[in-house]
Amino acid sequence: DIQLTQSPSFLSASVGDRVTVTCRASQGISSYLAWYQQKPGRAPKLLIYAASTLQSGVPSRFSGGGSGTEFTLTISSLQPEDFATYYCQQLNSYPLTFGGGTKVEIK
Amino acid sequence: EVQVLESGGGLVQPGGSLRLSCAASGFTFSSYSMAWVRQAPGKGLEWVSAISGDGGSTPYADFVKGRFTISRDNSKSTLYLQMNSLRAEDTAVYYCAKCGSSCQSQWFDPWGQGTLVTVSS
Repeated sequence: DIQLTQSPSFLSASVGDRVTVTCRASQGISSYLAWYQQKPGRAPKLLIYAASTLQSGVPSRFSGGGSGTEFTLTISSLQPEDFATYYCQQLNSYPLTFGGGTKVEIK
Repeated sequence: EVQVLESGGGLVQPGGSLRLSCAASGFTFSSYSMAWVRQAPGKGLEWVSAISGDGGSTPYADFVKGRFTISRDNSKSTLYLQMNSLRAEDTAVYYCAKCGSSCQSQWFDPWGQGTLVTVSS
């Protein structure tokens, strides 16, 4: 099984900060990686697919990068509505797996 | 608008059974694979199972293999998850999600609002 390790697991930041979350895969997954945002009590929402493609309707302050085993999610200027938990997911092979999540909280 | 909506959750005793449903609308259901993902209280996301558009491919996570069965009725645009031999550790919110032509290599979007399954005596 492919393991995904997200870091950090918790992040405290201020509005306007640039924030980067890393997702490392235990083996190469090409660009078969998606990022999701989840707010408390809500379903996950797709932000980025194919490692770097922004889903329609998602603000351009979100960006994704990487391929192979190392990936990043960057928020260029953190907004109040961005405080949430972020998950990466590999879609390279079954079983499909998620990272452990990164909770972004207000400093 | 593309939507998926789960139902069927509830309280069940250990060893019991439950069937979840997911009603889809706004897209040609039979052309897309679908998936179930769960989230235990306060924990992260876990992929449970997926099914191809024609129902012919049904991979499962090891922790549900032999206990859960995914299926679909394309005439009703509905996805199902039959859960048998339920354990306390199956307690979670269960989400259904639409994939692309395959859940392998294509992302999950949208997700339903989730349905809570509680396994307890």
